[in-house]
Amino acid sequence: ETGVTQTPRHLVMGMTNKKSLKCEQHLGHNAMYWYKQSAKKPLELMFVYNFKEQTENNSVPSRFSPECPNSSHLFLHLHTLQPEDSALYLCASSQGQGIYGQPQHFGDGTRLSIL
Amino acid sequence: AQKVTQAQTEISVVEKEDVTLDCVYETRDTTYYLFWYKQPPSGELVFLIRRNSFDEQNEISGRYSWNFQKSTSSFNFTITASQVVDSAVYFCALSEAGGGGATNKLIFGTGTLLAVQP
Repeated sequence: ETGVTQTPRHLVMGMTNKKSLKCEQHLGHNAMYWYKQSAKKPLELMFVYNFKEQTENNSVPSRFSPECPNSSHLFLHLHTLQPEDSALYLCASSQGQGIYGQPQHFGDGTRLSIL
Repeated sequence: AQKVTQAQTEISVVEKEDVTLDCVYETRDTTYYLFWYKQPPSGELVFLIRRNSFDEQNEISGRYSWNFQKSTSSFNFTITASQVVDSAVYFCALSEAGGGGATNKLIFGTGTLLAVQP
């Protein structure tokens, strides 16, 4: 089983829809991350969770709502999105607090298209 | 301020050529970590290597080698005898131990798209 699994792989939704992205990690990590990757732009860190607690929110619009029920699962709830939100959304996990320099392990991403 | 610069946006080579991807970083920390990731067209970022700031020894793994030079704040990546399967976007990233420490936050460069032509 792959280390970090993201579902769905592709998602097309209208601006008024509500959907959720799911991420699950099987690596025993305690930190999880959401990134947005738009065409021609650098990877943008959106949220960081450490031991289920949100430790970083990089000024992400409220139409993106993360949820981390446990250290293995991370969700990104989407509602009333805009066309500029179309992007590849990547989830990652790593060792958590106090263990420095650990690599993040990424999922395959969800390619989101907003109509 | 922390920053990672990958000045090469796109590189195109012919199979079997050697290619070097450049990475320059900025940090005020004395303890930090540098990474390279590969992103094939499928989308997943694949971890390739990590170096810490106290280990300047160059590393070789098969056709891949990395040259870490603190004097020039560079961490360059060379692929020897490139292959079509090496075609991907390659990201260099920096993580600081002192930056709030709770998680291993990565600062990514903008990536270099490598196209290896048959």
